[in-house]
Amino acid sequence: RKEVEQDPGPFNVPEGATVAFNCTYSNSASQSFFWYRQDCRKEPKLLMSVYSSGNEDGRFTAQLNRASQYISLLIRDSKLSDSATYLCVVNGYTSGTYKYIFGTGTRLKVLA
Amino acid sequence: NAGVTQTPKFRILKIGQSMTLQCTQDMNHNYMYWYRQDPGMGLKLIYYSVGAGITDKGEVPNGYNVSRSTTEDFPLRLELAAPSQTSVYFCASYSGASTGPQHFGDGTRLSIL
Repeated sequence: RKEVEQDPGPFNVPEGATVAFNCTYSNSASQSFFWYRQDCRKEPKLLMSVYSSGNEDGRFTAQLNRASQYISLLIRDSKLSDSATYLCVVNGYTSGTYKYIFGTGTRLKVLA
Repeated sequence: NAGVTQTPKFRILKIGQSMTLQCTQDMNHNYMYWYRQDPGMGLKLIYYSVGAGITDKGEVPNGYNVSRSTTEDFPLRLELAAPSQTSVYFCASYSGASTGPQHFGDGTRLSIL
């Protein structure tokens, strides 16, 4: 089982739609969680951190369920500019260092 | 506000040549990382460093070397370039805070022909 698993997609949605991505992680000792956005052939950019109580940033809402070991990202009112790959990232302290584990990403295409 | 800076942005090498990919950060971060990303694939960790003078292997270290003589710089060396090393290379840094994210440079696109 992969340490961080995501549905690769692609998710093709019309503009204005609501879309949700899920991510599961295997290490119950993981400490921090993030969603990154990556555009084609560009560097990953932090979209938002994910907090235990859930958090929102404009049209984006992130949730964490530690008991079930999954993280979600909800995008409301999708824009064409939201088309990208969304990476789920989990960080934990193991073997004397902080280890970031990246999912392989979920591709989103927002259609006009 | 530079963050993580990588040079060069693009490079074409011949098989067997060597080169160094440069990475520098101005955020005083202790942790630095090198990843590679092949087309359509996820990030793979090559090497990482938890501070000046300390480096360790990631999941795909073969064919690469690193050094960390200062907090700011973390160069990645390819000694004998092979076509399998054609990839996009990303450098990242992290403060060491338990809830902090990684910050990425904008990558080096490397082709080995």
